[in-house]
Amino acid sequence: EVQLQESGPGLVKPSQSLSLTCSVTGYSITSSYRWNWIRKFPGNKLEWMGYINSAGSTNYNPSLKSRISITRDTSKNQFFLQVNSVTTEDTATYYCASLTGGWFAYWGQGTLVTVSS
Amino acid sequence: IQMTQSPSLLSASVGDRVTLSCKAGQNINNYLAWYQQKLGEAPKLLIYNANSLQTGIPSRFSGSGSGTDYTLTISSLQPEDVATYFCQQYNSWWTFGGGTKLELK
Repeated sequence: EVQLQESGPGLVKPSQSLSLTCSVTGYSITSSYRWNWIRKFPGNKLEWMGYINSAGSTNYNPSLKSRISITRDTSKNQFFLQVNSVTTEDTATYYCASLTGGWFAYWGQGTLVTVSS
Repeated sequence: IQMTQSPSLLSASVGDRVTLSCKAGQNINNYLAWYQQKLGEAPKLLIYNANSLQTGIPSRFSGSGSGTDYTLTISSLQPEDVATYFCQQYNSWWTFGGGTKLELK
């Protein structure tokens, strides 16, 4: 069974960078699927942020493209999110998820990141 | 593509037939998924391609619709169905509705 688990700091200061890791078990991230980051804001709004595919190519939400980067470490079967120049509006629960077809079949539990000084 | 779910809060009794709505800002050609999220848990895929039931999901869940209007139906509400339900389109990029919170009356 495919399992995903997010990890990273729960508190980030404004203007700094947010860095998260998604550890995948039960499936190789180089086999197939697209590996995504999605965030849920207070109030329940969900936003797709971007993905890295099995070949290592990326695709980002145009509204975030200038600030985010998704990379991977295939030896550890992990992929990563970096968001630069964060503000309080980046406070959210961050999920990693696998994309097949157009739907997100597997999700991590999510990790809450608060942006505050 | 903007996705609008209604109602935002729904109260129903065990055994009720429950209908949740999702409206797209344009035709999404049945490229729609539904998710269930219980408090503190990861979202779970229920339905994809508007009406295909994900493996392992109880048959009391069903999806329907076309064009811009879609529906998730629970044929007989069970206590474990208390959750927030989200729709998501994948006709153009990937966007989500604001969710319907389902509670027991």
